[in-house]
Amino acid sequence: QSVLTQPPSVSGAPGQRVTISCTGSSSNIGAGYDVHWYQQLPGTAPKLLIYGNNNRPSGVPDRISGSKSGTSASLAITGLQADDEADYYCQSYDSSLSGNWVFGGGTKLTVL
Amino acid sequence: QVQLVESGGGVVQPGRSLRLSCAASGFTFSSYAMHWVRQAPGKGLEWVAIIWHDGTNKYYADSVKGRFTISRDNSRNTLFLQVNSLRAEDTAVYYCARRPTSASYYFDYWGQGTLVTVSS
Repeated sequence: QSVLTQPPSVSGAPGQRVTISCTGSSSNIGAGYDVHWYQQLPGTAPKLLIYGNNNRPSGVPDRISGSKSGTSASLAITGLQADDEADYYCQSYDSSLSGNWVFGGGTKLTVL
Repeated sequence: QVQLVESGGGVVQPGRSLRLSCAASGFTFSSYAMHWVRQAPGKGLEWVAIIWHDGTNKYYADSVKGRFTISRDNSRNTLFLQVNSLRAEDTAVYYCARRPTSASYYFDYWGQGTLVTVSS
């Protein structure tokens, strides 16, 4: 059971917009800790996609965005492309646990 | 460019030990805290441990506390994870990852991972 809750799967057709939710609690996202997102393509290591709720590292296209409100956050991908098909993980920090760096369970994005 | 290359994984019997390594290049290793994160087959990501840039502070997930030890050799730009008393549930790909700044709570670069399989 992950500390952050994500839907197991989402899907969309090429060109469409999809969102992935990430729900936490008052000891992590709700406590003001930032949310970060990672993309993991099949058979590869995770790659940083969004940091600090809504910041993109160099090289990440602006059709990918993040937001945070209250105890939740969202990742949005517009203009869906075939190579967006991957697993996506949200991550934050939790002040109540000794394992402080916490992840969501991951969401499999399928491009139809 | 930043590179992190893990090694040391393999197949090991329950109760035995391994030492994982992560060779860093492309940045000033001694200035950055470093993490280990693992991923069991077909499962999500689990944070394992962090070590401060100078090795003064180390923190562990409850699931590995007392069995795993994180360390580093800044003269060799290398991060280590000593994994003892291995259990079947420790089977995973182990990634090293960099903490970008002391005020950051995310991972900006990841290695490609090394697979540890615990099996009799």
